[in-house]
Amino acid sequence: QKEVEQNSGPLSVPEGAIASLNCTYSDRGSQSFFWYRQYSGKSPELIMFIYSNGDKEDGRFTAQLNKASQYVSLLIRDSQPSDSATYLCAVNSGGSNYKLTFGKGTLLTVNP
Amino acid sequence: KAGVTQTPRYLIKTRGQQVTLSCSPISGHRSVSWYQQTPGQGLQFLFEYFSETQRNKGNFPGRFSGRQFSNSRSEMNVSTLELGDSALYLCASTRGAGGPPETQYFGPGTRLLVL
Repeated sequence: QKEVEQNSGPLSVPEGAIASLNCTYSDRGSQSFFWYRQYSGKSPELIMFIYSNGDKEDGRFTAQLNKASQYVSLLIRDSQPSDSATYLCAVNSGGSNYKLTFGKGTLLTVNP
Repeated sequence: KAGVTQTPRYLIKTRGQQVTLSCSPISGHRSVSWYQQTPGQGLQFLFEYFSETQRNKGNFPGRFSGRQFSNSRSEMNVSTLELGDSALYLCASTRGAGGPPETQYFGPGTRLLVL
């Protein structure tokens, strides 16, 4: 069973701080890695994707991928109360780009 | 461009019944994936359809089935409902034509309650 594990949380940070979310995966064949954000009662929305080792930055968000360690992370700089949500790590599995395995998510709360 | 739509949004059924959920993908998207989300198991992949064919399948029992029509709209069916089938059912669409990995765009979901 291919698995994706996330730090269980919940994670609480003060406004303006850096939030760090971590994810490990078991399928060495995985090539695509996604971070989704899900607000309570809503469907997941994509924040970022990363395919290559290293860092990828998009505004206040930075995704980091280390395929050798099977580890992917998301950093949120200058955290805002509006960032409070559950963050889901997703990894393609079974050799298909259209089959995603999700972690169970990390609940982030940003306190004003 | 309109997003992914799902109907109905809410559904209440009793054990033993069957249910059909519908998903209309973003215009131009030909791949539709279905996921089940529960508090205990999180988001789990059910199956993916492309060009009216099931291309990928998750680890769910045969009570869960789906199909896709020529206009890319998809339906999923759950027969002989069990209490544990209570969940949020999400569909997601992509262009699906291969090549570089694509983002899956999720619909608002159908919340199913089995009594």
